Amino acid sequence: NAGVTQTPKFRVLKTGQSMTLLCAQDMNHEYMYWYRQDPGMGLRLIHYSVGEGTTAKGEVPDGYNVSRLKKQNFLLGLESAAPSQTSVYFCASSYTQGGQPQHFGDGTRLSIL
Amino acid sequence: EDKVVQSPLSLVVHEGDTVTLNCSYEVTNFRSLLWYKQEKKAPTFLFMLTSSGIEKKSGRLSSILDKKELFSILNITATQTGDSAVYLCAGSHGNTPLVFGKGTRLSVIA
Repeated sequence: NAGVTQTPKFRVLKTGQSMTLLCAQDMNHEYMYWYRQDPGMGLRLIHYSVGEGTTAKGEVPDGYNVSRLKKQNFLLGLESAAPSQTSVYFCASSYTQGGQPQHFGDGTRLSIL
Repeated sequence: EDKVVQSPLSLVVHEGDTVTLNCSYEVTNFRSLLWYKQEKKAPTFLFMLTSSGIEKKSGRLSSILDKKELFSILNITATQTGDSAVYLCAGSHGNTPLVFGKGTRLSVIA
């Protein structure tokens, strides 16, 4: 079982460049999430989705966009990368919103110079 | 605003020690509290607690929830170097995503 797969695993960008992070899950989960993790800050929710075709803002959505065109995929986009977006990004998925644990991908380490 | 606070933020112990990690929460219409362990990569699920006073146990790890005082503890007995990790606590009220605490970084030294 692959579970939750994130690509790429590492990426270095220059300020102003754009990129898309891909998250794929093979567990038929309805709910998907994007988090960022910075030292001492825990996991902060960027955006999430409660089903195919839906998206919603989390705690720190500014500078990011997302799309959920297919149930198994959740894309996170940075339109114009900034050094403040240097972080480790985690994708997660779950059957339900709060009654089941979330399953996490291995993360994408993103550095913006 | 919902929040989850973990303490201590970091902890260093020797192998064989017993440790207690704390998690307090303020979550509207609280439904469950979850514990995760994060080593180098993805957080991995440990426990989900929904009822007060019922201990959940897995090997040397155990956890309990107090819904009256709004906190949970995670105990690890006879710690090993492999227990070194960041332990994350998260609260849920079922209709919105989990609210995570900042984590406790545990270092177990030989």
